[in-house]
Amino acid sequence: NAGVMQNPRHLVRRRGQEARLRCSPMKGHSHVYWYRQLPEEGLKFMVYLQKENIIDESGMPKERFSAEFPKEGPSILRIQQVVRGDSAAYFCASSPSGVGGYEQYFGPGTRLTVT
Amino acid sequence: GESVGLHLPTLSVQEGDNSIINCAYSNSASDYFIWYKQESGKGPQFIIDIRSNMDKRQGQRVTVLLNKTVKHLSLQIAATQPGDSAVYFCAEHLQGAQKLVFGQGTRLTINP
Repeated sequence: NAGVMQNPRHLVRRRGQEARLRCSPMKGHSHVYWYRQLPEEGLKFMVYLQKENIIDESGMPKERFSAEFPKEGPSILRIQQVVRGDSAAYFCASSPSGVGGYEQYFGPGTRLTVT
Repeated sequence: GESVGLHLPTLSVQEGDNSIINCAYSNSASDYFIWYKQESGKGPQFIIDIRSNMDKRQGQRVTVLLNKTVKHLSLQIAATQPGDSAVYFCAEHLQGAQKLVFGQGTRLTINP
């Protein structure tokens, strides 16, 4: 049973370009979470999605960032017009149900570098 | 702001000794806590969890203690091995919310 998959593992973008990060949850999991991690820091919650619905996006910047989890296919975190401050590791996690009582399984992350 | 913090950013222990990693939290409404291990270049790996109605839970070589009176969480690793070298994060779940709040992390290094 494959774990959470993320791609690409490394992504380099110039300022002003778009970054698209993909996350395939574990089989049978319908809840996806995105987190951002700066070097030497903890993970910061960005957004929580269920299939076709955004449940909580309180941690996601209002501008340039968007997320989706379509009925078919992976969850996508999209960053438009990237800036140097967007450079970070972005982790996706999935769970079979909501957070309470169920552990979140994390993917290997996508390391975004903005030049 | 974040409510979960750690007392020590780094911890060095001798191989074979026990390790204790501490975490403080400030939300009384937190009902679920998790410890994660993160190795360099990898995603966080679940270690052990505990609900707020418990004060202790044991796994293989790991024990989590929860003291709700002082809002303190600890992870004990018995007979620390080189493979335990990593950054350890505690995370809390706020009752009614749908996210985990992570602490800063403690880097555990093992001396041979």
